[in-house]
Amino acid sequence: EVQLVESGGGLVQPGGSLRLSCAGSGFPFSSFSMHWVRQAPGQGLEYVSAINRVGDTTYYANSVKGRFTISRDNSKNTLYLQMGSLSTEDMALYYCARVAGSGWFDFWGQGTLVTVSS
Amino acid sequence: EIVMTQSPATLSVSPGERVTLSCRASQSVSSNLVWYQQKPGQAPRVLIYDVSTRATGVPARFSGSGSGTEFTLTISSLQSEDCAVYYCQQHNNWPRTFGQGTKVEIK
Repeated sequence: EVQLVESGGGLVQPGGSLRLSCAGSGFPFSSFSMHWVRQAPGQGLEYVSAINRVGDTTYYANSVKGRFTISRDNSKNTLYLQMGSLSTEDMALYYCARVAGSGWFDFWGQGTLVTVSS
Repeated sequence: EIVMTQSPATLSVSPGERVTLSCRASQSVSSNLVWYQQKPGQAPRVLIYDVSTRATGVPARFSGSGSGTEFTLTISSLQSEDCAVYYCQQHNNWPRTFGQGTKVEIK
């Protein structure tokens, strides 16, 4: 069974940093591109970042470029999102998602909540 | 950035009725259009990919159509378990972008 389990969310002060993790299991992790998508409370889905299978190509939304870094460790079947210079606008439930076929997301984790507050 | 616009924002429908949700792209996304369903407290779930292909396990009452910039998700006969927010997303260009969602409620 395919599983994606996010962790690392929590309360952080404005300007602070946080690292999210997404552990994959039940599938060959290194064979899939992975993405992060976030959802602010009561709001819609917002694309955040992407990384290819080997980790040498990444993409960021303009809203997080220069502040967030996506990476992966295929030996640990884990995806990461290092977040810095956090503001209240980054408060959201962060999902990791697996890319299938031509680029759509076939599996999503349950999300990890990031709260930014002083 | 491609802007995805969904309409209506909210739809209130009686059980058994036909439901039509629209999604418009600000420029062509070819056939790289996907629909997700999100129920309260749950992660999104893929319903339709490549415009019209139902994902595994999705009931046949869900169907997708369209091309280029205009797309439609149809639920042929609404069931109570279909109450959810539906999002379209394009994966033709970077950044990948989502519509703002259509909430489907039972009348």
